[in-house]
Amino acid sequence: DSGVTQTPKHLITATGQRVTLRCSPRSGDLSVYWYQQSLDQGLQFLIQYYNGEERAKGNILERFSAQQFPDLHSELNLSSLELGDSALYFCASSGDRNLYNEQFFGPGTRLTVL
Amino acid sequence: LAKTTQPISMDSYEGQEVNITCSHNNIATNDYITWYQQFPSQGPRFIIQGYKTKVTNEVASLFIPADRKSSTLSLPRVSLSDTAVYYCLVGDVDAGNMLTFGGGTRLMVKP
Repeated sequence: DSGVTQTPKHLITATGQRVTLRCSPRSGDLSVYWYQQSLDQGLQFLIQYYNGEERAKGNILERFSAQQFPDLHSELNLSSLELGDSALYFCASSGDRNLYNEQFFGPGTRLTVL
Repeated sequence: LAKTTQPISMDSYEGQEVNITCSHNNIATNDYITWYQQFPSQGPRFIIQGYKTKVTNEVASLFIPADRKSSTLSLPRVSLSDTAVYYCLVGDVDAGNMLTFGGGTRLMVKP
């Protein structure tokens, strides 16, 4: 158990809908990262937040957005969903702002868009 | 864009040493190279990290040549429980130093 929690575990929705994925980092960790894992694209870095502020951006679509709240939990919002957004979404956390520090991954949220 | 490439799969037997190489021909100068392990239906788990030369911890070694255009993860005496997918993670200069995972190497350890 990494100490990172993600909810929900599974999510099934329809095209065009909007969903919110939630992540709670390990106790004391200030950085939260979001990743997408799909069969065709592999593991892709989406975005990093550090202590409430956006720190680094990856391959995040404009339809996607994220935020980190004062209690350090984070949410990833996916809107206007397409079939191709079906994937595993992982959240990870680390102790400081350095992108390359050891990250602790949550169990993931499996999103299925029908 | 520079690509971070790994062999798609490897087979080994229990007790053997396994070496998995990742090619990253244009990584960020000041950034580390990190390797993760992933089991089915789980998030990746940190294995080892290094900047140059050789790093060793209780589970693996990481070899990085001077030009840092590749790195090799070495797993000594693998067991069945080492069957997993292994990923390298680097900062890709051509993508603005964005965190970039290799495609992953699926290691199958046989008895």
